[in-house]
Amino acid sequence: AQSVTQPDIHITVSEGASLELRCNYSYGATPYLFWYVQSPGQGLQLLLKYFSGDTLVQGIKGFEAEFKRSQSSFNLRKPSVHWSDAAEYFCAVGAVRDQFYFGTGTSLTVIP
Amino acid sequence: NAGVTQTPKFRVLKTGQSMTLLCAQDMNHEYMYWYRQDPGMGLRLIHYSVGEGTTAKGEVPDGYNVSRLKKQNFLLGLESAAPSQTSVYFCASRSDRDYGYTFGSGTRLTVV
Repeated sequence: AQSVTQPDIHITVSEGASLELRCNYSYGATPYLFWYVQSPGQGLQLLLKYFSGDTLVQGIKGFEAEFKRSQSSFNLRKPSVHWSDAAEYFCAVGAVRDQFYFGTGTSLTVIP
Repeated sequence: NAGVTQTPKFRVLKTGQSMTLLCAQDMNHEYMYWYRQDPGMGLRLIHYSVGEGTTAKGEVPDGYNVSRLKKQNFLLGLESAAPSQTSVYFCASRSDRDYGYTFGSGTRLTVV
């Protein structure tokens, strides 16, 4: 069955520190992979997406993610976190003719 | 550049009442989706549409109906609201060539 796991419910980092949010998936075919960010009271905004090709993808706001097929992972990273990055982050997986499946989210707190 | 617009933004219903949530997109997208977001459960797909006049069930369709009479609009109906339908509802759309979703800002529904 298709599923997305975000093992970390909540992460706290200091401003300026590096960040890695984990995402593992289970999917029968080659998936399309996404990371979304949700600020409080807002809808979800697409950060980046992976379809094929280079396994390291760059997104908006300085985020990047790496697809590792052998580990069924698509972890999100940022070298230096800003206070404005505090939000909830969702990983999603899907295919062209299928629905997309979302993880349960990771809430990020940034401390000064 | 409105994107995806959801109305209303907030609503309180009494158990047994009915209502319709409207989603409108101005991007000429083929695919439209209704999700509900509950704490600790991420986003769960209620119903979706792959084009005008088509609808399909998602992961949690019970208690909801949908219609896509016009390409730009996707309506979600609750015929007899129950407290379990208290949630934040998100509409999303995408084109058939770009698989990243565009989300609306959500409707917060409380059923008492």
